[in-house]
Amino acid sequence: EAQVTQNPRYLITVTGKKLTVTCSQNMNHEYMSWYRQDPGLGLRQIYYSMNVEVTDKGDVPEGYKVSRKEKRNFPLILESPSPNQTSLYFCASSPAWFGNNEQFFGPGTRLTVL
Amino acid sequence: AQSVAQPEDQVNVAEGNPLTVKCTYSVSGNPYLFWYVQYPNRGLQFLLKYITGDNLVKGSYGFEAEFNKSQTSFHLKKPSALVSDSALYFCAVRDRGNTDKLIFGTGTRLQVFP
Repeated sequence: EAQVTQNPRYLITVTGKKLTVTCSQNMNHEYMSWYRQDPGLGLRQIYYSMNVEVTDKGDVPEGYKVSRKEKRNFPLILESPSPNQTSLYFCASSPAWFGNNEQFFGPGTRLTVL
Repeated sequence: AQSVAQPEDQVNVAEGNPLTVKCTYSVSGNPYLFWYVQYPNRGLQFLLKYITGDNLVKGSYGFEAEFNKSQTSFHLKKPSALVSDSALYFCAVRDRGNTDKLIFGTGTRLQVFP
C-alpha cells in the first residue's frame, strides 16, 4: 500500500530534550515536506526537500532541522524543543516539487513540549 | 503576495442539504488549486484539483469545485451532505507563475447535522 508513515504518533517531552520524528514514504517520490498545523493558522511549511541531499527552509524553520540522505526518509529534528513547538506535525510527499501533483500526507505526530 | 483565504471557520449544514465551503486566492500567475480533507486523527487526504480547462472539477466522495477566474475563487460543493462529510477542509493554491510554492488556507470545519 502506497503510504507516508510517521513515528511516533504522539510524543510528550520536556524543554530542551532533543527529539526526532521520522517520516518515510514508499512511493519513490522526489519531494518531501514537513508542516505544522496550529488552530487558526492552517498548515505552515517548516522544511522541504526536492530530492536526496537537497533541503530548504519553508515558512517557519526556526528551531528545526531536517536531513534527506535517502529518497524515502525525511526526519524532522528538534535539537532543543520549546513549548512553542507544541503542535501537530505532518510529513508529506509528492512525485515532484512543481506542477499539479497532489501531496500525500502522513497520519500526523502530535507533539507536546512541557 | 500569494495567499489563500477560507472566510468561514465553520460551516453547518443539515444532512441531505447542499453544502458549499468557500475559498478565494491571490496569485500573480495562473494557479493550480487543490482541496484536501482531514478527518479526526488522520492526515490530510486529497479531494480534487483544478489544472486547466473545465471550470467544474469533480473529485472524491461526490465533491466538486468550481473555478471562477474573475472572482479568484474555488469553492467546494456537494449536492447532498452526509454526516460522514463532517471534517476539516483545506484549500491550497500553487502559483505557477511565481515560486510554485503550495500555500494552504486556514481550514474550514464542516459540521453536518442529522
